[in-house]
Amino acid sequence: AQKVTQAQTEISVVEKEDVTLDCVYETRDTTYYLFWYKQPPSGELVFLIRRNSFDEQNEISGRYSWNFQKSTSSFNFTITASQVVDSAVYFCARFTYGGSQGNLIFGKGTKLSVKP
Amino acid sequence: DAGITQSPRYKITETGRQVTLMCHQTWSHSYMFWYRQDLGHGLRLIYYSAAADITDKGEVPDGYVVSRSKTENFPLTLESATRSQTSVYFCASSEAGGATEAFFGQGTRLTVV
Repeated sequence: AQKVTQAQTEISVVEKEDVTLDCVYETRDTTYYLFWYKQPPSGELVFLIRRNSFDEQNEISGRYSWNFQKSTSSFNFTITASQVVDSAVYFCARFTYGGSQGNLIFGKGTKLSVKP
Repeated sequence: DAGITQSPRYKITETGRQVTLMCHQTWSHSYMFWYRQDLGHGLRLIYYSAAADITDKGEVPDGYVVSRSKTENFPLTLESATRSQTSVYFCASSEAGGATEAFFGQGTRLTVV
């Protein structure tokens, strides 16, 4: 199976520190999409960003930034100047069109704790 | 209200019983997905559907059955519930597969006793 790997199970930082969450994906497809989702303690899943395989331009949105590198099959997520409200589980996901259909596979998640 | 809703939110059932989790979306999204979330495993794909009457297995399909007779509904049935199926189940929908983000329901917490 083509996997999505988030090697960091848990990360704990102190408020205002920068933190990077790692994501490595596997795929045999040339067309695919990558996502980051956030799951706060309340339990809902919140979409953060989507990238397609043809767009390696990195993006910054406020305190969030993403680094997509096809050469290393990585799609890392950085929070600058972390805040307590950033505490959540963060999931990386990959979508591919498998045959006539497609599937959206998630990594196991990284639990981020930001302490005041 | 527009969105994706799951029912019930909480369910306790006995081993061996059949139970159906409902998922309804109002956007007419083509793609729908069912996941289970367990500690240490993240979100694992059970089944997905690219359109009405088209379904396919995900990573952990054993013990589950799905159908999609209408675009807006994607029920998940546990034919004979087992304790290992105790989990939080999430349904999601997406307009165009990976070309758009998936929207998730609130989740159903299922306990099999």
